[in-house]
Amino acid sequence: AQKVTQAQTEISVVEKEDVTLDCVYETRDTTYYLFWYKQPPSGELVFLIRRNSFDEQNEISGRYSWNFQKSTSSFNFTITASQVVDSAVYFCALSEASGNNNDMRFGAGTRLTVKP
Amino acid sequence: DTGVSQDPRHKITKRGQNVTFRCDPISEHNRLYWYRQTLGQGPEFLTYFQNEAQLEKSRLLSDRFSAERPKGSFSTLEIQRTEQGDSAMYLCASSPWEGADEQYFGPGTRLTVT
Repeated sequence: AQKVTQAQTEISVVEKEDVTLDCVYETRDTTYYLFWYKQPPSGELVFLIRRNSFDEQNEISGRYSWNFQKSTSSFNFTITASQVVDSAVYFCALSEASGNNNDMRFGAGTRLTVKP
Repeated sequence: DTGVSQDPRHKITKRGQNVTFRCDPISEHNRLYWYRQTLGQGPEFLTYFQNEAQLEKSRLLSDRFSAERPKGSFSTLEIQRTEQGDSAMYLCASSPWEGADEQYFGPGTRLTVT
């Protein structure tokens, strides 16, 4: 069974600080996909990144970076020089390639508050 | 705007009433998903469609829930005999093709059962 754990329920930082959101997953599949979504106060989930299990390269997109480590089953998300607009709930999600691969399993989310 | 749209955005109903929500996916996306999200939790998968065919239903989807996508475009989610436990945000998402492609979410319908 697939499972996603986001141990940090809430994080509060001051603007311009760096912050890392943790995500640990469990799966028996060798092929799977990991995602990060942002849910701002408006409520609409916004896709940030998808990573497949065969691609362990870290990725950087502007102030965002992702660290995928299969050895520790983690897919952590770092925001550099955080801004107030980064305040949102961030969800990590896992989708397995076997079966219907449509049962995207989300973590409980981490609420990030960036204070000015 | 060509994003996923949902209607209504908010619905308040009394226990025992039936409610129906609508989702319009991104044009030409052949996969459509329904999720439920309660406060402080991540979205939970309910069901999904490949074109007009409903291919998977979660065990969370009780007999009181039914979803349709009659022409492979918009979809409806109906809840019969609503219960207070049905109060949640109901999210719709679509994706362009098969495989674990990213899903694009709508703004959701917030249901409150009194």
